[in-house]
Amino acid sequence: SQQGEEDPQALSIQEGENATMNCSYKTSINNLQWYRQNSGRGLVHLILIRSNEREKHSGRLRVTLDTSKKSSSLLITASRAADTASYFCAPMNTGFQKLVFGTGTRLLVSP
Amino acid sequence: DSGVTQTPKHLITATGQRVTLRCSPRSGDLSVYWYQQSLDQGLQFLIHYYNGEERAKGNILERFSAQQFPDLHSELNLSSLELGDSALYFCASSVEASSYNSPLHFGNGTRLTVT
Repeated sequence: SQQGEEDPQALSIQEGENATMNCSYKTSINNLQWYRQNSGRGLVHLILIRSNEREKHSGRLRVTLDTSKKSSSLLITASRAADTASYFCAPMNTGFQKLVFGTGTRLLVSP
Repeated sequence: DSGVTQTPKHLITATGQRVTLRCSPRSGDLSVYWYQQSLDQGLQFLIHYYNGEERAKGNILERFSAQQFPDLHSELNLSSLELGDSALYFCASSVEASSYNSPLHFGNGTRLTVT
């Protein structure tokens, strides 16, 4: 199956704490994308990491990729209430015709 | 603001009816994707158009059809509506023919309620 599987399904933390969510996938990939979805809104692209990269940063986001374990992680440092959202990973390779999404990780950041 | 516009934002209709959802992609984007999001099915890919041509089909019912027009806007037509078609319908656009290397930009969706 092409889609990634996010873990945990739900995560609840306090503001200021770090949040880590994981993504596992089954097939070989060329890159992996992470998206965020605020309640009732469209998905927003966060970051794309290529298969030859092990780690990538964007502001408070840190993404790692381990192709040998077929897994990726998304770390949000110093979480804010505004980070409350669902987070989805999307593994991709050139043979995939479409971006598919799993069920996501629901992150709740409490003030 | 993603630059992708979807109309209408909300739609309430009865079973058996037909509706049309509209999407205007971001300026310069040639690809349009349609997704359906419901509580029990999650986010499901429906169909992808690139520059007016269908490129990929997902779990799209035969009662549903779509097209992309020469001005690149797209419409998703849903007919013989059933209660189970109630969902959020998202349109996304990207520059390239493949989402492999080109992030998708999502609109804020059309919430369809079938009563």
